[in-house]
Formats: sequence, structure tokens, C-alpha cells
Amino acid sequence: GNSVTQMEGPVTLSEEAFLTINCTYTATGYPSLFWYVQYPGEGLQLLLKATKADDKGSNKGFEATYRKETTSFHLEKGSVQVSDSAVYFCALSDQNYGGSQGNLIFGKGTKLSVKP
Amino acid sequence: EAQVTQNPRYLITVTGKKLTVTCSQNMNHEYMSWYRQDPGLGLRQIYYSMNVEVTDKGDVPEGYKVSRKEKRNFPLILESPSPNQTSLYFCASSLWGRASNTGELFFGEGSRLTVL
Repeated sequence: GNSVTQMEGPVTLSEEAFLTINCTYTATGYPSLFWYVQYPGEGLQLLLKATKADDKGSNKGFEATYRKETTSFHLEKGSVQVSDSAVYFCALSDQNYGGSQGNLIFGKGTKLSVKP
Repeated sequence: EAQVTQNPRYLITVTGKKLTVTCSQNMNHEYMSWYRQDPGLGLRQIYYSMNVEVTDKGDVPEGYKVSRKEKRNFPLILESPSPNQTSLYFCASSLWGRASNTGELFFGEGSRLTVL
């Protein structure tokens, strides 16, 4: 079945460091891929998405590129801030109806802590 | 303001005492879903609904019930709670099946349930 695997955390970085959180997936068909972020004490919110191969999603300085050949969607940011401290979830849709999503399958989440 | 509202946010109860966690959304979304979040296990889907009177099991439905009598509401019912249902629960909603769908899943702020 479809699944998402993301790197285990926690990840601890100093402010202005480069961030990569790895995400790989297994899926049939052509899923959409997502990164969600959960700040402390809050629900998840969409960070970025990509709906087809070679698409790059970007938001708030974060980027991820949909790589079908390596079945990956790694999250990157060039210079993290303390305010980026959160849990990051990679997810894929298990269906794709003309651009709309099906159910989302989530990775286990990666906790990021950024120190000043 | 567009939002998903869950209640209660925190609850401590005892084994076997029926409880309901309410979820309401004001975005006219067809799709609603319940997840539980546990350390090391990430987010797991309990039940979902693609529209009024249409519900289906997710990955971990045992011990839970849901109903979808109105589009805006999707309550989660624990008929006889047990300690292994101690968890953080999230309700989420989105558009479904439309070409204009951005694929974004909107989450509530979570309900932390402890069963003694």
C-alpha cells in the first residue's frame, strides 16, 4: 500500500543553519505530495504542496521538489529561524481526482528545534 | 474566520464512561476526518466522511464511532473509552472532488483526552 517515510528526529540546529528533512514515498499512480507543519500546541497547517513530478512547492522560505525518479519530496530551507521550531509532516494523497486530494497518508513527523 | 472547532480541548475521564468529541467547520467542506496523534506513531486516521451520511473507516477505527448528519458537524464518539485511547485527537476538513480544490486539509487545534 501507499506509505510515507521521513527522517527520524529530533533535529536540532543553530539559527541560520541549512535544513533538510528527508521524505520518501511509496505509491501507485500519481499522488500529490504535501508538507504540513505543527507549531507547539496547535493543529497542523499546510506548508507547501506539489501535484506532479518536477513541481517545486515553496512557502516561507521552505522548498520541496517532487522527484518521481527517486520517489522523494525532501524539505529544505537555507537559513532557519527560532520561529521554525515545530514538527514537520510529509504526506501524500492516496487518490488524485483532477487535482483534488483523496485521503492523506502522513509520515510520523520530524521535530525541529532551532537554537538562537 | 474560516476554522475547524473541536470541543473539549482537554478531557480526563474514566474507563467505560461514554464521551463525545465534537467537531464543527464553517467552510462548507464536504470532507471531514478524525486523526489521533501518538508519540512515535505520528498521525493515524480513525474515520473519515466524504459527505453527509457517508462515512468510512480509516486505519484505526476500533473503539470509535462517528456520524455525519449535517455537513458542518462530525462528532467522534467513544462508547466505552479505554486507557489505550488516551491520545491527542485532531479533526480536519477539506473540499472534495472539485478541480479547484487546493488540496489543503484544515485542522482543528486538537483535543487531548486522558482515560484513567
